[in-house]
Amino acid sequence: QKEVEQDPGPLSVPEGAIVSLNCTYSNSAFQYFMWYRQYSRKGPELLMYTYSSGNKEDGRFTAQVDKSSKYISLFIRDSQPSDSATYLCAMRRTGNQFYFGTGTSLTVIP
Amino acid sequence: NAGVTQTPKFQVLKTGQSMTLQCAQDMNHNSMYWYRQDPGMGLRLIYYSASEGTTDKGEVPNGYNVSRLNKREFSLRLESAAPSQTSVYFCASSSRDDQPQHFGDGTRLSIL
Repeated sequence: QKEVEQDPGPLSVPEGAIVSLNCTYSNSAFQYFMWYRQYSRKGPELLMYTYSSGNKEDGRFTAQVDKSSKYISLFIRDSQPSDSATYLCAMRRTGNQFYFGTGTSLTVIP
Repeated sequence: NAGVTQTPKFQVLKTGQSMTLQCAQDMNHNSMYWYRQDPGMGLRLIYYSASEGTTDKGEVPNGYNVSRLNKREFSLRLESAAPSQTSVYFCASSSRDDQPQHFGDGTRLSIL
């Protein structure tokens, strides 16, 4: 079983929709959670970094962590065609080992 | 702001050839990393350098070597390329080894 599971999609939504992207993990020792956005033929770009359970908001993006369910989510409000990309979750226990999901491909249709 | 710069962007090699992938960062970061990204596998850590002068193996180090040339530069070498090493290689850096990483735009490597 992988440490981090992420549905690869693809996910296709109309412009303006609310998008929900999710990851589950198996190890309750994970404490730090990240979301990256990766455009085609580009490197991953850090979107959100959070430590605690609950919500963290940054513009149209909200990261949600539920440690009791070992589940994290990224919500995108008022989705735009420019949000079309692959979204990677990542997480870390104590120490310096990071674990990445395989990514969810998102297309926002104008 | 350049961030993390990788060269070359594309490369085709024949089996058995050697090659060095270059990476440089201008963010004064202490830690640097090399990943490979394959379809369905996600990002897998090859080697990392927590600070200048140190390197450690990651999840998939076989067939690779690294050099932390100075604080800015971290190179990845394939001594004898194999088709299984066809992949997209990403270099990343972070201020400390427990902080989120910032990635370059990758090197697309094909080995025939």
